[in-house]
Amino acid sequence: EAGVTQFPSHSVIEKGQTVTLRCDPISGHDNLYWYRRVMGKEIKFLLHFVKESKQDESGMPNNRFLAERTGGTYSTLKVQPAELEDSGVYFCASSLNSGRWYEQYFGPGTRLTVT
Amino acid sequence: AQTVTQSQPEMSVQEAETVTLSCTYDTSESDYYLFWYKQPPSRQMILVIRQEAYKQQNATENRFSVNFQKAAKSFSLKISDSQLGDAAMYFCAYRSPYNTDKLIFGTGTRLQVFP
Repeated sequence: EAGVTQFPSHSVIEKGQTVTLRCDPISGHDNLYWYRRVMGKEIKFLLHFVKESKQDESGMPNNRFLAERTGGTYSTLKVQPAELEDSGVYFCASSLNSGRWYEQYFGPGTRLTVT
Repeated sequence: AQTVTQSQPEMSVQEAETVTLSCTYDTSESDYYLFWYKQPPSRQMILVIRQEAYKQQNATENRFSVNFQKAAKSFSLKISDSQLGDAAMYFCAYRSPYNTDKLIFGTGTRLQVFP
């Protein structure tokens, strides 16, 4: 069974540009999560999709971030325009069902560098 | 709001020895879940072990065990018979059982294993 995949693995962009990160969850997983780790700090929750609906987007930092999950399969996270403080590693995770017992499986992350 | 603290940015251990990674958390909830995740270099994060707060018995998974002290809000991870493959970033995480799936992470501990 393929795990959670993320693309690209690394992106370097200039301040003010746009970047789109992609996450492909494990097949059949309705729940998809985005997290972010800014250098040296804790991993922070961004949002949670159930199929194509946003269940919880309380962690989205501001309106420069737009997450979508059309069709309930893969998800994209767009940052527009990117700022220096957006640099970090963006993780995607998926789980079969929501709720405390279900394990979240993580992807390898996308390292975003904004210069 | 819940917080998770990992006070050891880096730890090291000799192969075959035992090491303990510390984690404390703050919450007003009586029921919750705690997790340890491992992220090897350039690899995805995987779940190592989890503990349900209402269970007094400490969780164990092969060489990995936890010391869960609910009153002290402490959740340390003990790795016995350390192996070179245990070298990784270790993240402690908290999940509330109420109306959210989000994981709240600490800042991580980098574990080095020396032969």
